[in-house]
Amino acid sequence: DAKTTQPPSMDCAEGRAANLPCNHSTISGNEYVYWYRQIHSQGPQYIIHGLKNNETNEMASLIITEDRKSSTLILPHATLRDTAVYYCIVRGSNYQLIWGAGTKLIIKP
Amino acid sequence: GAGVSQTPSNKVTEKGKYVELRCDPISGHTALYWYRQSLGQGPEFLIYFQGTGAADDSGLPNDRFFAVRPEGSVSTLKIQRTERGDSAVYLCASSLSLAGGYNEQFFGPGTRLTVL
Repeated sequence: DAKTTQPPSMDCAEGRAANLPCNHSTISGNEYVYWYRQIHSQGPQYIIHGLKNNETNEMASLIITEDRKSSTLILPHATLRDTAVYYCIVRGSNYQLIWGAGTKLIIKP
Repeated sequence: GAGVSQTPSNKVTEKGKYVELRCDPISGHTALYWYRQSLGQGPEFLIYFQGTGAADDSGLPNDRFFAVRPEGSVSTLKIQRTERGDSAVYLCASSLSLAGGYNEQFFGPGTRLTVL
């Protein structure tokens, strides 16, 4: 079973920051938080991952709470092309990614 | 460079038939994964290869499903005696390494299998 909880859907206005929450209250100390997204009819795309420090790359920022029980993916300036299903995944020492149902993010003009 | 490719993109078959789905990983990626995705759900792990060997096939639903990767590159997922419940998008992913916490999996576009 997925170890994360995400809202099923969210809207965001184009040009604004999209903040996608994820709860992972049972996360263990050595487990990473991964984010992928899946645009309609395409394969999933890696966005970012982190352990306990906040992370930023060219796509997004990942903010992980100090107790590591939740995190937020931030898309700083959302565009229409960011409309997708966003998956928050907790992964341990093995290779398996256990996926939940994700959050369907709709960017509105 | 080229990403993960999968063929065919769509496959329609009749119940009881045999199908093969092919995955070409990114060159140099030693790890290869197969997932199955039903409508409205996240991908479900099927099998993982490290090189030529199946390191974990615990996600295969039953013995009608089998996968090979004979030369450590291209992989084929084989489904015998297909059933309507096998209809889904079959995704393939590859990655460079399992070392540490870094395991960025690069996904192909998937094969949409429809069993009539």
